[in-house]
Formats: sequence, structure tokens, C-alpha cells
Amino acid sequence: QKEVEQNSGPLSVPEGAIASLNCTYSDRGSQSFFWYRQYSGKSPELIMFIYSNGDKEDGRFTAQLNKASQYVSLLIRDSQPSDSATYLCAVKVSPVGSQGNLIFGKGTKLSVKP
Amino acid sequence: GAVVSQHPSRVICKSGTSVKIECRSLDFQATTMFWYRQFPKQSLMLMATSNEGSKATYEQGVEKDKFLINHASLTLSTLTVTSAHPEDSSFYICSARTTGGDTQYFGPGTRLTVL
Repeated sequence: QKEVEQNSGPLSVPEGAIASLNCTYSDRGSQSFFWYRQYSGKSPELIMFIYSNGDKEDGRFTAQLNKASQYVSLLIRDSQPSDSATYLCAVKVSPVGSQGNLIFGKGTKLSVKP
Repeated sequence: GAVVSQHPSRVICKSGTSVKIECRSLDFQATTMFWYRQFPKQSLMLMATSNEGSKATYEQGVEKDKFLINHASLTLSTLTVTSAHPEDSSFYICSARTTGGDTQYFGPGTRLTVL
């Protein structure tokens, strides 16, 4: 069973701090990794994706990937109350025997306190 | 770019009726679309994968005769909940994957309430 694990939280950080969200995955052959944000009562929206080991930055967001450790993280700099949401990690499973679907973690709830 | 719409956004129906939900990719072609269900305070659950021009692939435990999926074009997939019951009340979300790509873009969701 291919799995994606996230700490459910809630993760509480003060406004202006760095929020660090972590995710581990079981499928060593995975190549594509995604972070989505989901506000309460809304559908997920894509924040960013990462394919290669290392860091990828997009504005206040940085995704970090370590395939050897099967670990992907999302850093949010200068956290704002509007960042309060559930963050979903998603991993594309290996294509053999599948349609290349994304496996989602259960999400980490982030709360940014003013 | 990569906008996905869903219609309706909210529907309330009586038990025993059927409800159709549409999912459209507005500015890209999507060979593959996905249907998810999410109960309150729970994670996304993949129901089925819909491929244009072929039968949908359903996840284990999802009744294909109850949740009918049609993906007749590269921009439209529909989910019909047949003979809906109160336990089918949930947030139904579709996503679309760009042809040849990895990324899934989600629609805004449809909140179904069955009385």
C-alpha cells in the first residue's frame, strides 16, 4: 500500500514566523510531488510542485525534496493569518500498474496567530 | 490558466433522486479527470478516475452503479449520484490533469445534501 504521511497538527505559529510542514512517502519510485492548500469548506488549490532533489522557491513558499530519505517539506516564510489552512502533500505514484494518480496525505492544519 | 469549474456548487435533493454534477476544464484539455469525496473534517477520498472515451476506474468500495461517471469530451466529465440517500451527503470535488502532465487542478467542489 503506497502511503503519504503527514502530521495532522494543528501546527500553530505566530505571524511573521516560518511554518515548516513535513511529509514522508513510501513509494521509492515516486518522481513528482505536490503541495496543495485547502481552506475550510473549499477545494484544494495548488501551491507548488517539485520534481528534483533540493529546494524550489516560489515567493514565500519553499518546497524541499529529499528522495533518499523519501521526505518532502514546505516552508512558509513570513507566515500570515491568511495562510491558516490545511496543507495537503501529494505524491504521484509510479506508473506501473496505476494511472499515475496522486496519493494525498491527510493534511496538516496550520494556524497562524496574529 | 488551468481553471476547472464545477456545477452546481450546491445541491439539496430528496432521498431517492439522482443528481448530476458537471466538471469542466475551461482552458485546457484533460484526458484524465478525477472524482473525490470529502466528509467533514476528513481527508480527500478518491472515488474514481475518469478517462476520456473509456470507462472510469473506480476505487475499491465505490459502487460504480451508484456513481455513474461519463467523460465524453476532453473538457467535460460528469458524475451522477443515482438514488441518493442521506449518507451520500458530502463535498464532491473533481480535478483535471493536463494531457501529458502530472499536475491535477481542482474544481471548486459541489456540496450535496440529501434530505
